[in-house]
Amino acid sequence: ILNVEQSPQSLHVQEGDSTNFTCSFPSSNFYALHWYRWETAKSPEALFVMTLNGDEKKKGRISATLNTKEGYSYLYIKGSQPEDSATYLCASHLTGTASKLTFGTGTRLQVTL
Amino acid sequence: GAVVSQHPSRVICKSGTSVKIECRSLDFQATTMFWYRQFPKQSLMLMATSNEGSKATYEQGVEKDKFLINHASLTLSTLTVTSAHPEDSSFYICSAGTQETQYFGPGTRLLVL
Repeated sequence: ILNVEQSPQSLHVQEGDSTNFTCSFPSSNFYALHWYRWETAKSPEALFVMTLNGDEKKKGRISATLNTKEGYSYLYIKGSQPEDSATYLCASHLTGTASKLTFGTGTRLQVTL
Repeated sequence: GAVVSQHPSRVICKSGTSVKIECRSLDFQATTMFWYRQFPKQSLMLMATSNEGSKATYEQGVEKDKFLINHASLTLSTLTVTSAHPEDSSFYICSAGTQETQYFGPGTRLLVL
């Protein structure tokens, strides 16, 4: 994988559903994987920065896992709420690139009542 | 968390004019800021890295004479789109922070008529 790819492109779930989406990234020269939450008309908000293979991070109902050997990360949302509606971006940070982030196109999540 | 502001949030200009976009770190100092551009249904693409007190570093394919970057203080970077044309219409967003976490502004939507 040369680029950062996210799937699905969009997702529509009902309140209370749990959901997950995928980020695939280049596994060579890996330094860190970032997840952001981006609500319309607001600034992207940093959720997680993950560096170690097997890392699992959690923030409230949102958690993420990381597999650096195969180049993927999963983001999970447990018991989705309407306020979780946003675009979730992941970004790859490679070694020797001085904080340069390469973004995926995002997964747009809509949670309805 | 750290706050980054961006101004203006939206601008419409005539073809051939220049537009300046400001990016400010409000509660921290940033020696490095990043400028991204996003076209519809595409990912955030890094345009350039803005370095306080020195020249910006541009990504391949980004014209430095067209997109002028000035980072004159530790809290302000500006991006000037010179002689704007309709194909420059896009969403421009800046970020600042550390190698661990990037904090984003809310972005500027530019429409060139």
